[in-house]
Amino acid sequence: KAGVTQTPRYLIKTRGQQVTLSCSPISGHRSVSWYQQTPGQGLQFLFEYFSETQRNKGNFPGRFSGRQFSNSRSEMNVSTLELGDSALYLCASSPGGGGKQPQHFGDGTRLSIL
Amino acid sequence: GEDVEQSLFLSVREGDSSVINCTYTDSSSTYLYWYKQEPGAGLQLLTYIFSNMDMKQDQRLTVLLNKKDKHLSLRIADTQTGDSAIYFCAESFGGGADGLTFGKGTHLIIQP
Repeated sequence: KAGVTQTPRYLIKTRGQQVTLSCSPISGHRSVSWYQQTPGQGLQFLFEYFSETQRNKGNFPGRFSGRQFSNSRSEMNVSTLELGDSALYLCASSPGGGGKQPQHFGDGTRLSIL
Repeated sequence: GEDVEQSLFLSVREGDSSVINCTYTDSSSTYLYWYKQEPGAGLQLLTYIFSNMDMKQDQRLTVLLNKKDKHLSLRIADTQTGDSAIYFCAESFGGGADGLTFGKGTHLIIQP
């Protein structure tokens, strides 16, 4: 069974630009969560999608948004990029049907803002 | 609010046991997790424990949960150089949505 796939692996952008990251969950998983990892703040929850609906959202500004498609693939978008958005962005999937099944992570997209 | 605390570093000798500790605050957590992260990689799920359990063993890994003290530990028996990584403790959100609150991670350093 293929794991969680995130594309691209690396991305370099400049301040003010926007970026879209993609995540394909494990087959059959309907919940996709996104996290930001930085040396200073550690791993922080961004949002979670289940059946194309955002079920939960972390404490991030509105520049961070996401969506989920009918095949459970998810994208996150960051607009008006700032230097502080440089981070490893991790996606995780789980069955999502309740019961708090473990989340399985992809290898992440490393975003660098110049 | 929810908070997960871990010590930042642990140094052990190869062949010894490693014990990584974690405290959490959300009493409504249903699952508690240990993840491993190697340089340049994502998070690898090592093991997890349901909050109504006290202990779980999986090969070289033993998880102990003290629910009264909200204390979780991960013991790695016979620590090897390949165990060198950052280990994250995480608790599940309460309520219906999925999502995790992570500790800052413990860097496990193996001495030869």
